[in-house]
Amino acid sequence: KQEVTQIPAALSVPEGENLVLNCSFTDSAIYNLQWFRQDPGKGLTSLLLIQSSQREQTSGRLNASLDKSSGRSTLYIAASQPGDSATYLCAVRPQRNSGYSTLTFGKGTMLLVSP
Amino acid sequence: NAGVTQTPKFQVLKTGQSMTLQCAQDMNHNSMYWYRQDPGMGLRLIYYSASEGTTDKGEVPNGYNVSRLNKREFSLRLESAAPSQTSVYFCASSETWSGHLAGQGGYTFGSGTRLTVV
Repeated sequence: KQEVTQIPAALSVPEGENLVLNCSFTDSAIYNLQWFRQDPGKGLTSLLLIQSSQREQTSGRLNASLDKSSGRSTLYIAASQPGDSATYLCAVRPQRNSGYSTLTFGKGTMLLVSP
Repeated sequence: NAGVTQTPKFQVLKTGQSMTLQCAQDMNHNSMYWYRQDPGMGLRLIYYSASEGTTDKGEVPNGYNVSRLNKREFSLRLESAAPSQTSVYFCASSETWSGHLAGQGGYTFGSGTRLTVV
């Protein structure tokens, strides 16, 4: 069974810091990996999608890397801002015919960026 | 804006009542999903539909039924609501593994339905 772990569970930083969120998964037979952001009481917003053949994706101040063989992904946030405060979720999509039906989510990292 | 639309956004039910959560997507995705999100439990798959005309159970299907009405719409029904079904429900859609859309297999989520069963 695929398991996804996110470390740390919570993180509090002052504005302006660069930070790294970690995601690990147990089964490397993935199709892609997706990072989401969830604001309190809201839905999931997709941030970055990395295909299994890719090493990284970038969007603005966000950079996500993928090391499929070691079962790890990191989300790097540069120059953090209070508006980045949210819960960040990592999810992996299995390869076809892997026996898994859909995304497996981590439990998230709750980020608080203080002014 | 293109995406996944869920209705209603909030609902309070009494134990034993029934209701249907509606979901529609306009991205021409083949696959659709229903998840529930509970504190400390994360997101758990209830049912999914890999393509129009098919539905399958996920991790926590008991107490729920689904209908894939057409390619755009996927509804979730609670026949006899129980307090344990108090949760936030999310609908999502994606292209299949072999799809060639620009989304490359990513998932798009709706904004959720907050359901309280008393």
